[in-house]
Amino acid sequence: EAGVAQSPRYKIIEKRQSVAFWCNPISGHATLYWYQQILGQGPKLLIQFQNNGVVDDSQLPKDRFSAERLKGVDSTLKIQPAKLEDSAVYLCASSLGTSGPTDTQYFGPGTRLTVL
Amino acid sequence: ILNVEQSPQSLHVQEGDSTNFTCSFPSSNFYALHWYRWETAKSPEALFVMTLNGDEKKKGRISATLNTKEGYSYLYIKGSQPEDSATYLCASDKNYGQNFVFGPGTRLSVLP
Repeated sequence: EAGVAQSPRYKIIEKRQSVAFWCNPISGHATLYWYQQILGQGPKLLIQFQNNGVVDDSQLPKDRFSAERLKGVDSTLKIQPAKLEDSAVYLCASSLGTSGPTDTQYFGPGTRLTVL
Repeated sequence: ILNVEQSPQSLHVQEGDSTNFTCSFPSSNFYALHWYRWETAKSPEALFVMTLNGDEKKKGRISATLNTKEGYSYLYIKGSQPEDSATYLCASDKNYGQNFVFGPGTRLSVLP
């Protein structure tokens, strides 16, 4: 089965510029997650979708970050404008959404963002 | 413990050595504990999910144990190989598969 796809794999931008990341989850997975992983820290959940509805976006900096999941499949995460502290790996994950212990999250390879 | 903690932060071992790491998590409202292996430039790969106190899981040379009462899990690697070099992440799940809190990871380097 195909895994979670993300693009681009790497992105370098200047501060105050905008950037967007794309994620295609595993087919049939209802739940999609975006995580931010800053060097030396564990991945931090930014937003969680169940189909095309938002379940949890409590840690999403909404003044500059936005995300959408159109038609309950692909998702995009946008940063506008970027700050130096946004430099991180942005991971997308998906799961079946069955709310059980076997509902493992499967991760994409991530997008490494560098803000100069 | 309010957050998920992992120790050591990094570890260098020789090929053939056995090693282990620790994941500490809040024992209240515990649901499940997940271990992931994250190799450089690849996707984090799920290793184990454990839910019951005393659980033990094994996958090849890697095994894990769980103590939910005291809030810790150990990951063991027997006879480390260079391909085991990766960051090992644990995540505490407090909401039925949907609310993961990750630790900072243990970075393992296995020297040939």
